[in-house]
Amino acid sequence: QVQLVQSGAEVKKPGASVKVSCKASGYSFTAYYVHWVRQAPGQGLEWMGSINPSSGGTDYAQKFQGRVTMTRDTSISTAYMELSRLRSDDTAMYYCSRGRDYWGLGTLVTVSS
Amino acid sequence: AIQMTQSPSSLSASVGDRVTITCRASQGIRNDLGWYQQKPGKAPKLLIYGASSLQSGVPSRFSGSGSGTDFTLTISSLQPEDFATYYCLQDYNYRWTFGQGTKVEIK
Repeated sequence: QVQLVQSGAEVKKPGASVKVSCKASGYSFTAYYVHWVRQAPGQGLEWMGSINPSSGGTDYAQKFQGRVTMTRDTSISTAYMELSRLRSDDTAMYYCSRGRDYWGLGTLVTVSS
Repeated sequence: AIQMTQSPSSLSASVGDRVTITCRASQGIRNDLGWYQQKPGKAPKLLIYGASSLQSGVPSRFSGSGSGTDFTLTISSLQPEDFATYYCLQDYNYRWTFGQGTKVEIK
């Protein structure tokens, strides 16, 4: 069965970077885009960008351009999302998804001094 | 960027009620629209894709309609497990935008 297993919760200080992983199983990793979506506490869903695991090509939401980097390692079917220059308002649950249909359980990133 | 305007932001309804949620796109998106249900502490769950196609395993009381700029999610007879927040998602050209969400609460 399709599974997306995300890395564990992170606590970071303002200005630091965080890298979240998303390990895929149960399907051909290179056949589907991986998207990253975040949700601040009590807020709605916000698309951050996507990566084509086959080519490595990325597409980032304008809001995150310059701060986000999405990569993948096809040898271990894992996608990564790195967000730099963290601020307190980056505190959120970060989700990866296989296209629209399968989602990871989320990774809570807390930014606090 | 394509903007999605979802309404209402919240609604109160009773078990058995018919519920309708709408999303309007700032430009035509063909039928590149999905609907999600999210419960507290959980990841979003896909209900409808391609504006009107029911995702496997989703009860038939959920239905979607629309094309172009105007879309609707309908729950024909609200069940206790349907109280949640619902989001529309457009994925025209692979760049996503979510609606603001609709919280469906118990009346």
